[in-house]
Amino acid sequence: GAVVSQHPSRVICKSGTSVKIECRSLDFQATTMFWYRQFPKKSLMLMATSNEGSKATYEQGVEKDKFLINHASLTLSTLTVTSAHPEDSSFYICSAGRPNTGELFFGEGSRLTVL
Amino acid sequence: GQQLNQSPQSMFIQEGEDVSMNCTSSSIFNTWLWYKQDPGEGPVLLIALYKAGELTSNGRLTAQFGTTRKDSFLNISASIPSDVGIYFCAGQLGSGGGADGLTFGKGTHLIIQP
Repeated sequence: GAVVSQHPSRVICKSGTSVKIECRSLDFQATTMFWYRQFPKKSLMLMATSNEGSKATYEQGVEKDKFLINHASLTLSTLTVTSAHPEDSSFYICSAGRPNTGELFFGEGSRLTVL
Repeated sequence: GQQLNQSPQSMFIQEGEDVSMNCTSSSIFNTWLWYKQDPGEGPVLLIALYKAGELTSNGRLTAQFGTTRKDSFLNISASIPSDVGIYFCAGQLGSGGGADGLTFGKGTHLIIQP
């Protein structure tokens, strides 16, 4: 079964609204989770590193005020796309590393479509 | 930033053929990973490599971590229809501690013709 779960799997929203995507680690406690973005037929690009209890670390070029990350517990990280625009439409994927082995597990992904 | 060059970009093969794809990097990674992604889903880990020179198999899949730590290859033997999908290599600076994000290659799209 899934080790890392994302919700929702698909979301459609109007331009200007905000959307929250949840990433849950089901099998282990994850102090660090990662958020990726993938455009159609393209590779995954790391957006940010989500750290439990502290601020997220964003990759160069990723707007932290646009993509709000909250990692309030060891099993949940959320990504909120604020004031979404059509160009934010994408496939967002999270991952978490199992603490002892370091094995990385990916969520099922969340497809965001902004109209 | 770091870049991973993955090739080939796509492969059209006959069922039963062997497949080979590789990734090279301009910088060193301490962990190399190979993933498969089906449409609309997250990547699924196939093989993880933690040591330079390491050769690891998982069923019909074999992957190697290059001795320079700047490259890796993935081989699939005797391909079957369910092997269709996009394969990504990924490099991680850390040594499997789970604290680093991944840098992904651009993917190899495997298409199997009956």
